[in-house]
Amino acid sequence: EAGVVQSPRYKIIEKKQPVAFWCNPISGHNTLYWYLQNLGQGPELLIRYENEEAVDDSQLPKDRFSAERLKGVDSTLKIQPAELGDSAVYLCASSEDRESPLHFGNGTRLTVT
Amino acid sequence: QKEVEQNSGPLSVPEGAIASLNCTYSDRGSQSFFWYRQYSGKSPELIMFIYSNGDKEDGRFTAQLNKASQYVSLLIRDSQPSDSATYLCAVMGGSNYKLTFGKGTLLTVNP
Repeated sequence: EAGVVQSPRYKIIEKKQPVAFWCNPISGHNTLYWYLQNLGQGPELLIRYENEEAVDDSQLPKDRFSAERLKGVDSTLKIQPAELGDSAVYLCASSEDRESPLHFGNGTRLTVT
Repeated sequence: QKEVEQNSGPLSVPEGAIASLNCTYSDRGSQSFFWYRQYSGKSPELIMFIYSNGDKEDGRFTAQLNKASQYVSLLIRDSQPSDSATYLCAVMGGSNYKLTFGKGTLLTVNP
């Protein structure tokens, strides 16, 4: 079974530029998550989807962050414009349903200069 | 108050010893509890999950849950240098299914 696939693995951009991350969950997994992880911290939830519906986006900074999950499969997370403080690892995860264990992708390490 | 608390460590144990990792949580309604291992520069990897009070064993790993004390722990028997990593405790809220992670405990197993 293929795992959660994320791209790109690394991204370096200048502040104020836009950036987008892509995630393909494990086949059949209805629930998809985007987490942010800073160095030395645990992952922090940005948004959770159940199928194509965003059921928890309370921690998503909506002035600059947006996300979508078209057709309830792949998902894209966008930041526009990026700020220096956005430098972190962005993790995508999926689970069979909202109560099942999460499985993480390899993450995207974002550096904003 | 942080919802999920872990001792950040580092916790250092000799090879072959038992490593004990602890976690407390604030939401009494929490129903599901997970332990993830994260190697440096890698993403979190699921090790175990536990839903009921008591112990759950899987190979060298044992998860322990005490809902009355709002406490969950992970024991690693016969610790190996390859167990050296950060261990993340994650707790799922009972009403909103939100999975909240602790900051993680860095474990070092010395040969």
